Amino acid sequence: RKEVEQDPGPFNVPEGATVAFNCTYSNSASQSFFWYRQDCRKEPKLLMSVYSSGNEDGRFTAQLNRASQYISLLIRDSKLSDSATYLCVVNNYGGSQGNLIFGKGTKLSVKP
Amino acid sequence: DAGVTQSPTHLIKTRGQQVTLRCSPISGHKSVSWYQQVLGQGPQFIFQYYEKEERGRGNFPDRFSARQFPNYSSELNVNALLLGDSALYLCASSLNPGGTEAFFGQGTRLTVV
Repeated sequence: RKEVEQDPGPFNVPEGATVAFNCTYSNSASQSFFWYRQDCRKEPKLLMSVYSSGNEDGRFTAQLNRASQYISLLIRDSKLSDSATYLCVVNNYGGSQGNLIFGKGTKLSVKP
Repeated sequence: DAGVTQSPTHLIKTRGQQVTLRCSPISGHKSVSWYQQVLGQGPQFIFQYYEKEERGRGNFPDRFSARQFPNYSSELNVNALLLGDSALYLCASSLNPGGTEAFFGQGTRLTVV
């Protein structure tokens, strides 16, 4: 089983739609969790950290369920500029695979 | 404020050659990590360095090596290049090895022909 697994996608949605991405992780000792955004042929950039209490940043809401080892990202009122690949990332500081373990990513295309 | 800088941005090499990639972290950041990202996959961890010492190594062959300099910049070396080494190589900088937030450079796109 991969350490971090995400919805395979791609997700093709119209502008204004609400879209949800899911992610599971295998290491129960994982310490922190993130969503990164990666535009085509660019570097990943931190979108938001994910906390057990859930957190919101504008149109974006992230949730963490440690018991289920499940992370989610909700995007409301999708914009064309949200089109990108969304990477679920887990921090296993001191783990054999380094700090940041990335999922394969889920591609989102927002259409007019 | 300068972010993480990597050089070169693009590189074409032939099989069997050697390549050196360079990374300068954000000022004040002492930890540098290297990742390989092949098309359609998420980045895969190669190395982490902190205070010039290796702190972690991913599942890559010995053809891959790295080092960190006193100014915290870093180099990644790959010997005996294979076609499968073609990828985007990303450098990430953070304040310390357990730093929860990592900042990525724009990457070096390596093509092996």
